[in-house]
Amino acid sequence: DAGVIQSPRHEVTEMGQEVTLRCKPISGHNSLFWYRQTMMRGLELLIYFNNNVPIDDSGMPEDRFSAKMPNASFSTLKIQPSEPRDSAVYFCASSQRTGEISPSSFGPGTRLLVL
Amino acid sequence: SQQGEEDPQALSIQEGENATMNCSYKTSINNLQWYRQNSGRGLVHLILIRSNEREKHSGRLRVTLDTSKKSSSLLITASRAADTASYFCATDAMTQGAQKLVFGQGTRLTINP
Repeated sequence: DAGVIQSPRHEVTEMGQEVTLRCKPISGHNSLFWYRQTMMRGLELLIYFNNNVPIDDSGMPEDRFSAKMPNASFSTLKIQPSEPRDSAVYFCASSQRTGEISPSSFGPGTRLLVL
Repeated sequence: SQQGEEDPQALSIQEGENATMNCSYKTSINNLQWYRQNSGRGLVHLILIRSNEREKHSGRLRVTLDTSKKSSSLLITASRAADTASYFCATDAMTQGAQKLVFGQGTRLTINP
């Protein structure tokens, strides 16, 4: 198993541009999480899907952020328009949820820098 | 506010010594998980302890859980330079109306050779 795959690994963009982050979870996992990590705020849960359905998006900062999971093997996190304060490492993680949340497997992250 | 809070924020010890990190949380949990993050990498799961368990071992790792105090500890025995990393606790709990895994701020552990 290749683990959770994220792309791109690094993204540098200018303020106002649209950014799309991609994630392929581990096959068979039914839960997918998007996290953002910064020095100031630590690791924040942005949104959580279970069986491709968004369960909780209370962590999404504002309307500029949106996430989709069209099928069990793919998810996107989009920022439009991007701002410098969005600079962070964005992690995707997946797990198998059967009542309790099982251990999550994290992707390598996408380092986003918005100039 | 964070569900899990680690203590200390940073810990520096000599190789061979034991390292203890603590985690406190606020609500009832299904389980508590510990993760490690090496610099610039994703998090790696270390160990999971359920709410009805009090102690678990995995190699040089020992985790305890005290649900009455809403706290957990992670002990790394006979530390090695390769253990240098950040360690996070995460709680599987109902938070803001949804069951989710919420991470603490982490403890930065440095093992000095």
